[in-house]
Amino acid sequence: ETGVTQTPRHLVMGMTNKKSLKCEQHLGHNAMYWYKQSAKKPLELMFVYNFKEQTENNSVPSRFSPECPNSSHLFLHLHTLQPEDSALYLCASTQEGMGSGANVLTFGAGSRLTVL
Amino acid sequence: GQNIDQPTEMTATEGAIVQINCTYQTSGFNGLFWYQQHAGEAPTFLSYNVLDGLEEKGRFSSFLSRSKGYSYLLLKELQMKDSASYLCAVSDSNYQLIWGAGTKLIIKP
Repeated sequence: ETGVTQTPRHLVMGMTNKKSLKCEQHLGHNAMYWYKQSAKKPLELMFVYNFKEQTENNSVPSRFSPECPNSSHLFLHLHTLQPEDSALYLCASTQEGMGSGANVLTFGAGSRLTVL
Repeated sequence: GQNIDQPTEMTATEGAIVQINCTYQTSGFNGLFWYQQHAGEAPTFLSYNVLDGLEEKGRFSSFLSRSKGYSYLLLKELQMKDSASYLCAVSDSNYQLIWGAGTKLIIKP
């Protein structure tokens, strides 16, 4: 496989469930991201990992818990979510350089989450 | 605060030309990106501008004016497959991406 792969593509869960989203990149990139995409809103950056170290946590509620076991895999663990957490969750990767603005992100197709 | 503005939705006719505008107010500037996102699919990179002027890539062109905080994406010879959302994003002084809410482009035959 090539590019960025996300599973599952669709997930429906109750507020008391625990589930995980998975992201895998086959591009040899050193940075991976989780974004939340809600209808008619800008992409919201949630977490950034660079060389497996978390470098960004944008005040995300603790019911979202990221895990990056290696530079190719990224997980988002979900527990006790709220209906307003229903959204498309996008994973992305890039090769971060030194002081370059031109870090093109490669996105996965996303995991569509519905919280009942 | 930092802000990116782009129209919510635009409609154009197959074979025509459409221009999607993006204005921004950010803390610093390290480049502006355009991404295309078809419904249910991943956003894909279209263009990157860091210097003023026009960058052309086939049917798509992107323009930047840093002094005006303004960019546009120009799509020529529109095809039905160009129906998608177009996302504008600016890299700020900390190389953080600030995103617009996207412009949904509808192409009619």
